Amino acid sequence: DIQMTQSPSSLSASVGDRVTITCRTSQSISNYLNWYQQKPGKAPKLLIYAASSLQSGVPSRFSGSGSGTDFTLTISSLQPEDFASYYCQQSYSGRTFGGGTKVDIK
Amino acid sequence: QVQLQESGPGLVQPSQTLSLTCTVSGGFISSGDYYWSWIRQPPGKGLEYVAYIFYSGNTYYTYYNPSLKGRLSISADTSKNQFSLNLSSVTAADTAVYFCARATPYSTSWPVDYWGQGTLVTVSS
Repeated sequence: DIQMTQSPSSLSASVGDRVTITCRTSQSISNYLNWYQQKPGKAPKLLIYAASSLQSGVPSRFSGSGSGTDFTLTISSLQPEDFASYYCQQSYSGRTFGGGTKVDIK
Repeated sequence: QVQLQESGPGLVQPSQTLSLTCTVSGGFISSGDYYWSWIRQPPGKGLEYVAYIFYSGNTYYTYYNPSLKGRLSISADTSKNQFSLNLSSVTAADTAVYFCARATPYSTSWPVDYWGQGTLVTVSS
């Protein structure tokens, strides 16, 4: 099984901050990596697919990068509506989610 | 616009079988283009991909989470445009919000682009 380590598990930030979340996999997964945002009581929402492609309708302040075993989700300027939990997910072998990162207000 | 809606009991007794159905509108589960999926989330915890089913060449193919394999069964009813999940021998650890969802082939990473609202299933006597 491919293990996924997402960090940090939580972070506090202010509106306007640049936020970076990382996801590391136990073996190379090429770019078979997606990122989701989830708000309390809601279903997750797709932000980034194939490691770096922005889903239609998602603001351009969200970006993804990486390949192989190390991936990054960046929010260039945090907005009030971005306070949420974020998950990475691999589809290279089976399907696995990272443990999640909760972004809250500093 | 694709819509997915979960249905099923909200309470299941330990050792019994959890059964959920997802009704799809705005798309056909028999089209062969998508992976129709179940994903769960225990209260206050992260997401876990449970299973998916897809249709190809007149055959349905399935994927089961290895940690749950042996207790899982996923099936599809094309006449009703529904797919279903059965999880047997449940324990309190299976208490979770269960989402049905669609994974799309427009990328090799098969992202999940449509989700149901989720349904909470509690395992308790």
